Amino acid sequence: GNSVTQMEGPVTLSEEAFLTINCTYTATGYPSLFWYVQYPGEGLQLLLKATKADDKGSNKGFEATYRKETTSFHLEKGSVQVSDSAVYFCALSEADSWGKFQFGAGTQVVVTP
Amino acid sequence: DAGVTQSPTHLIKTRGQQVTLRCSPKSGHDTVSWYQQALGQGPQFIFQYYEEEERQRGNFPDRFSGHQFPNYSSELNVNALLLGDSALYLCASSTFDRRNTEAFFGQGTRLTVV
Repeated sequence: GNSVTQMEGPVTLSEEAFLTINCTYTATGYPSLFWYVQYPGEGLQLLLKATKADDKGSNKGFEATYRKETTSFHLEKGSVQVSDSAVYFCALSEADSWGKFQFGAGTQVVVTP
Repeated sequence: DAGVTQSPTHLIKTRGQQVTLRCSPKSGHDTVSWYQQALGQGPQFIFQYYEEEERQRGNFPDRFSGHQFPNYSSELNVNALLLGDSALYLCASSTFDRRNTEAFFGQGTRLTVV
C-alpha cells in the first residue's frame, strides 16, 4: 500500500536559518504530493503541492520538488521566521484513490529568535 | 467565504456513548472526507462522501459511520465510544473533479472520551 515517511522532529532552528524536512513516499501509481502545515490548535492548511514528476511547488518562501527517481518531496525554506513554527505534514493522493490523502506522521519545527 | 466549518469545536463523552460531528464544506465543494488525527500523529482517512454516498473507506470499524446531505454537508457518527477514539477529527472538502489534487480542511473537532 501507499505510505509517506518524513523525518522525525522536533527540528529546532534559529531565525533566518535554512530549513529542510525530508519526505519520501511509496505509491503504486503516480500520486500528487502535498505539504500541509498545522499551527497549534488549528486544522491543516495547504502549503504547496506538485501533481507530476519534476514539478516544483512553492508558497510563502517554501519550495518542494517532486522527484520520481528518488520518490521524494523534500520541503525547503531559505530563511525561517519564528512564525514558521508549526507541524508540517507531507501527504500524497493517487488518481484512483477517490481523494484519499495519505499523510506522514508530521515534523514539528520550532524556530527561536 | 467561510471555508470548511466544523462543529462542535470540543466535545467530551463517556465510554460507550455515541457522538455526532458535523461539517459544512467550502462553498462550491461537493465532496467531503473525514480524518482522525491522534495526538502526535498524522491524520488517518476514515471515509469520503460524494452524492450522498460513501465512496471510499479507510481501515476503521463499522462503529464509524457517516452521512451526506443534499446541501453537501456531512455528519460523522461514532457509536460505542472507546478511550482510543479520543482524537482531533478533521473534515476536508473538495470538488469531485479535483478531489485528488485539492482539499481544504476545517479546524477540527477535538473529541475526548473519558
